[in-house]
Amino acid sequence: RKEVEQDPGPFNVPEGATVAFNCTYSNSASQSFFWYRQDCRKEPKLLMSVYSSGNEDGRFTAQLNRASQYISLLIRDSKLSDSATYLCAPSQREQGGKLIFGQGTELSVKP
Amino acid sequence: DADVTQTPRNRITKTGKRIMLECSQTKGHDRMYWYRQDPGLGLRLIYYSFDVKDINKGEISDGYSVSRQAQAKFSLSLESAIPNQTALYFCATSMGASGNTEAFFGQGTRLTVV
Repeated sequence: RKEVEQDPGPFNVPEGATVAFNCTYSNSASQSFFWYRQDCRKEPKLLMSVYSSGNEDGRFTAQLNRASQYISLLIRDSKLSDSATYLCAPSQREQGGKLIFGQGTELSVKP
Repeated sequence: DADVTQTPRNRITKTGKRIMLECSQTKGHDRMYWYRQDPGLGLRLIYYSFDVKDINKGEISDGYSVSRQAQAKFSLSLESAIPNQTALYFCATSMGASGNTEAFFGQGTRLTVV
């Protein structure tokens, strides 16, 4: 089993839709979680951090379920500019915070 | 100027050649990472370093070596490049012993081995 697995994409949604991605992780010691956004083969950039049960920032909500070892990212009222690949990355403190990434979920928002 | 700088940005090299990818950072972070990205496979960790005297193998270190010349510099070498090392390579940095800090990425090096 891979350390981090994400919903396979691509997700194709119309503008204004609500879309959710899931990410499962195998290391139960993971304590911090990050969602990154990557545009068209550019460098990933941090979208959200999750340290407790969840986090919300505008149209974006991340939720953490430690018992089931998954984190989700919910995007409400999708915009064309949300089209990108979304990468999740749990961080394991006992390994000094090494970041292992999932394979990414591609989102395409259509007019 | 970018906080994390990778050179070169693009490189085409021949099979069997030695090549070095360089990464430098001005963020003052102690941790540096090298990842490679292939279509559909996300970012895979090659090597990482938590300080100048600390080097660790990642998921896919075979065929690669690294050098942490200073806190701000972390280079990745392919001693004898092969075509399946064609990929997009990213350097990243982060700070803190807690692990609760984000990683900052360089703009990437697109490497093609022919």
